[in-house]
Amino acid sequence: EVQLVESGGGLVKPGGSLRLSCAASGFTFSSYDMHWVRQAPGKGLEWVSSISSSSSYIYYADSVKGRFTISRDNTNNSLYLQMNSLRAEDTAVYYCAREYCSSTSCYTWWFDTWGQGTLVTVSS
Amino acid sequence: EIVLTQSPATLSLSPGERATLSCRASQSVTIYLAWYQQKPGQAPRLLIYDASNRATGIPARFSGSGSGTDFTLTISSLEPEDFAVYYCQQRSNWPPGTFGGGTKVEIK
Repeated sequence: EVQLVESGGGLVKPGGSLRLSCAASGFTFSSYDMHWVRQAPGKGLEWVSSISSSSSYIYYADSVKGRFTISRDNTNNSLYLQMNSLRAEDTAVYYCAREYCSSTSCYTWWFDTWGQGTLVTVSS
Repeated sequence: EIVLTQSPATLSLSPGERATLSCRASQSVTIYLAWYQQKPGQAPRLLIYDASNRATGIPARFSGSGSGTDFTLTISSLEPEDFAVYYCQQRSNWPPGTFGGGTKVEIK
């Protein structure tokens, strides 16, 4: 079964740091581009960051650029998001997601398999 | 940044009825638009990509159309499990892949 499981969320004070992890199983992790998408409580979806399968390409939303760092460990089938200088507006459920692959092509920018999410709360 | 505007915010319908959801982009995204379904407490699910292609395993009652700036998601006959929030997403000028604000389809 294809599965993504996030961990590492929690309560942190403004200015603090957290490292989120996403454990992948059931597919060849090293072959897929991966993403982080977040959702503030009661709000819509916001793309956060993306990393290509070999870590050659990395992208960030302007709202997190310079504060968040995405990385991956293809040996251990894991995706990470290091979050520094956290702000109240970073409070959200953070999902990791895999790029979508049809029977014939892969599409980096469409998000297929998602984890269950991990809640990050930034509050004093 | 391209802004996606979804309408209506809420759609109240009965099972068996047809649902028509709209997504309008602030500038052309050609066909690079997707639709997701999200149920309470769950992660989103990809329904439609590249405006009109159903993702793997998505029932035929879901269809997408449009190009340029105006897109539509149609659910031909609502099943009880279809009541949820629907989001559109564009990738024309990736990154970022911006999302719309969502349309809630609720039971009338």
